[in-house]
Amino acid sequence: SYELTQPPSVSVSPGQTAIITCSGDRLGDKYVSWYQQRPGQSPVLVISDDRKRPSGIPERFSGSNSGNTATLTISGTQALDEADYFCQAWDSSVLVYGFGSGTKVSVL
Amino acid sequence: DVHLVESGGGLARPGGSLRLSCAATGFAFSNYSMNWVRQSPGKGLEWVSSISTSSDHIYYARPLKGRFTVSRDNAKNALYLQLSRLSAEDTAVYYCARELRVNVFDFWGQGTLVTVSS
Repeated sequence: SYELTQPPSVSVSPGQTAIITCSGDRLGDKYVSWYQQRPGQSPVLVISDDRKRPSGIPERFSGSNSGNTATLTISGTQALDEADYFCQAWDSSVLVYGFGSGTKVSVL
Repeated sequence: DVHLVESGGGLARPGGSLRLSCAATGFAFSNYSMNWVRQSPGKGLEWVSSISTSSDHIYYARPLKGRFTVSRDNAKNALYLQLSRLSAEDTAVYYCARELRVNVFDFWGQGTLVTVSS
């Protein structure tokens, strides 16, 4: 699968900004999606196409993608944002999806 | 409302087989590509397979190709995953997910747990 690397964990204080990175070879040439997974729940799409927010996702979630790194930013982080976050990309050269290793966001 | 409900998980012996199902309701199933994604206990998400609307394009994660077979029945609004030659490393929750467009999985099921153990 397409290898995507994320930091294992990010800690943030309530109200502050959490930044989660996702790195992959020429990732900026691909579209990236981000998923939130709370404990014991199924993943939920929070960002698609690098920066699009699906209906119902708060404005505090935003995304960007350039070079080899995509970024998910959570502004004004709330306790309910505590979850694992995974990036995703499609490698059209070998026709496989890749998921990032996941980042646990802790709101302390 | 869109609903995806997986079933068919359970305990399987090493070397055994299992068939997972995903029942889709609330949308025009035949219009969407579908995917299987798995998650081993305490681990991250691992994409397993993708199948297009008419089953004419099927893709697998390379390590799993040859052991897993994805299929769908649009008349029954159902997605399937046949698992064979199972090993302990296949122990995971298996999710089905709707593919809104390439690289966008907009709805996920609740998952079904497969445990491979002797």
